[in-house]
Amino acid sequence: EVQLLESGGGLVQPGGSLRLSCAASGFTFSSFAMNWVRQAPGKGLEWVSLISASGGSTYSADSVKGRFTISRDNSKNTLYLQLNSLRVEDTAIYYCAKDQERGFGSGLVDNWGQGTLVTVSS
Amino acid sequence: DIQMTQSPSSLSASVGDRVTITCRASQIISNYLNWYQQKPGKAPNLLIYAASSLQSGVPSRFNGSGSGTDFTLTVSSLQPEDFATYYCQQSYSTPYTFGQGTKLEIK
Repeated sequence: EVQLLESGGGLVQPGGSLRLSCAASGFTFSSFAMNWVRQAPGKGLEWVSLISASGGSTYSADSVKGRFTISRDNSKNTLYLQLNSLRVEDTAIYYCAKDQERGFGSGLVDNWGQGTLVTVSS
Repeated sequence: DIQMTQSPSSLSASVGDRVTITCRASQIISNYLNWYQQKPGKAPNLLIYAASSLQSGVPSRFNGSGSGTDFTLTVSSLQPEDFATYYCQQSYSTPYTFGQGTKLEIK
């Protein structure tokens, strides 16, 4: 059974930083691309970033480009999202999301974590 | 970026009803269209991928169709557990945009 367990969320001031982690199990982590998807309170889903299985390719939404960095450690079966220069509008639940595709990925998510809440407020 | 527009934004229906949700892409996306269901306080769940392929474990009352720019999700006979919010998503090109969601409520 695929399990994705996020951690690292919390309250941070505007301009601050956080690092989210996602511990993966139940599948061959190093074979699959991974995504982060977020959801602001009471709002819809927003795709944030994708990283290929090897970690060699990454893609991000314009809204976070230059501020957020996706990475992975395949030896630890862990996905990361470094959030810098945080803004109030980054407040959301951040979901770790397994791509259905191996290799470079496709953005098609077949498994989701339970999410971790990031609140940006002064 | 490809814009995804769902209609309606909300829908009231009864158990046993047949309902259809539509999703339109701002440009041709072939069949790179996925549908997710989300219940309150829970993570989304993949229902349909590649416009019409049923994800493993999803009941056959869910059906997806369409290609190009226009897509539909149909639930043939609503069950109590189907009342939720539904999102379409294009996986044709980054950023992998979602529709704004359709909230399906009990009449």
